[in-house]
Formats: sequence, structure tokens, C-alpha cells
Amino acid sequence: GAVVSQHPSRVICKSGTSVKIECRSLDFQATTMFWYRQFPKQSLMLMATSNEGSKATYEQGVEKDKFLINHASLTLSTLTVTSAHPEDSSFYICSARDLTGIYGTDTQYFGPGTRLTVL
Amino acid sequence: QKEVEQNSGPLSVPEGAIASLNCTYSDRGSQSFFWYRQYSGKSPELIMFIYSNGDKEDGRFTAQLNKASQYVSLLIRDSQPSDSATYLCAVFGYGGSQGNLIFGKGTKLSVKP
Repeated sequence: GAVVSQHPSRVICKSGTSVKIECRSLDFQATTMFWYRQFPKQSLMLMATSNEGSKATYEQGVEKDKFLINHASLTLSTLTVTSAHPEDSSFYICSARDLTGIYGTDTQYFGPGTRLTVL
Repeated sequence: QKEVEQNSGPLSVPEGAIASLNCTYSDRGSQSFFWYRQYSGKSPELIMFIYSNGDKEDGRFTAQLNKASQYVSLLIRDSQPSDSATYLCAVFGYGGSQGNLIFGKGTKLSVKP
């Protein structure tokens, strides 16, 4: 199936620093990518939808100035958590939409996730 | 507000039994339906998709769709302990043009040896 990579897989940082997470679709072009956050034992929460070459659309309650999203190419989207604080510690997961359905269907494929810990 | 509902579980079945996972959706115009599996601490992975009413089989997995009842299910035959995970039902909107999947909150499945 389609492969989506995410880097880094795990990051620990000090409070007040910024952290950038990369999401890449390796074998298909993704005009749309998504960023989710998941706290322990809770369900996925969609943070924002990112379309290549345009501004991201954020879900209600997600601070766009804190979670900066850039989707500069058809295979790369980045999420930057600015001035991170301990409450931002979470599992961040990206997904990419395969519109062409080269693996049988138009759907979203998920990256492996990035576990962020803010001290 | 488009919604996808799942019983959160946990659903516990003995090894070798059939596990039945259910999902209902609110948007009658929905056209495509997906099941993802998420192991603890990992990201979701696609295991099945279905577009047409009826059954679709893939190995030990069978997806069932009833658009009239707005109901999707996933059957896992000969359940194994390795099937223990949270199963997420997801739905695209009408024409697949909604841009993102609407996910249920997931059903946690536990297969006991």
C-alpha cells in the first residue's frame, strides 16, 4: 500500500522551543494532507487540513499561530509547534490523501506518528 | 454535522471466534467506507474499504455495507490475539469530495488466548 513517512518519530524538547515535524508521501502525490493529534487512550483529533500551495484550514479551537503548517510540495507537509509547552505533549500523526487511488481507493494513508514530549 | 458512531467497547472475544464490529453514519449521501486498525501507540493503518451494498471479503476480514440502514460492519473470522487493537470506522462524504474522512471514535477489540 501507499507509504507515508514522518520525521522525527520521537522528540523531547524544552518548554518554549519550537519543533518541526515533517510528513512525506513516498510513492504518490498528495494534494491534501492532514494533521491529527491523539492523547493517550483518546480518539484521533483532526487539527488541520493542508492543501498544496495554499493556506491550511484549521479545525475550531486549534491555534493557527501555534501550529504552523506548510505544504510546499505535493509530497511534503510540515507542522511546526511554536513555543511548545508541556500541554502540547502528544502523539502527532499526519495523513496524506491518495486521490489517484493507485492502491485501489481514494483514501487517506497515515504516517507512523511523532511522539512529542515537552519538558 | 456529519457523524460516525461506534461502540467504544472493549469488545472481548476468545481466540478463534468471530469478532463483529459495527458502525453507523449520519450522512445518507456517503459513498465510501473504510476500516482502519490502530495498535496501541501506533498510527492507524487501512485494512478494508467498501463502496457497494453487500459483503466484501479479504482473508479473515469481511466488510458489510447496508446503505439503507446507514450501517457498516467488520467481521474478523478466526480471531487471533494479534487482532487486539482499536478499529476505526471512517466515511467519506458524498462524491468523495469532502477532503477528509470522518472517523468514529473506534472500538477496542481484545482477543483472549
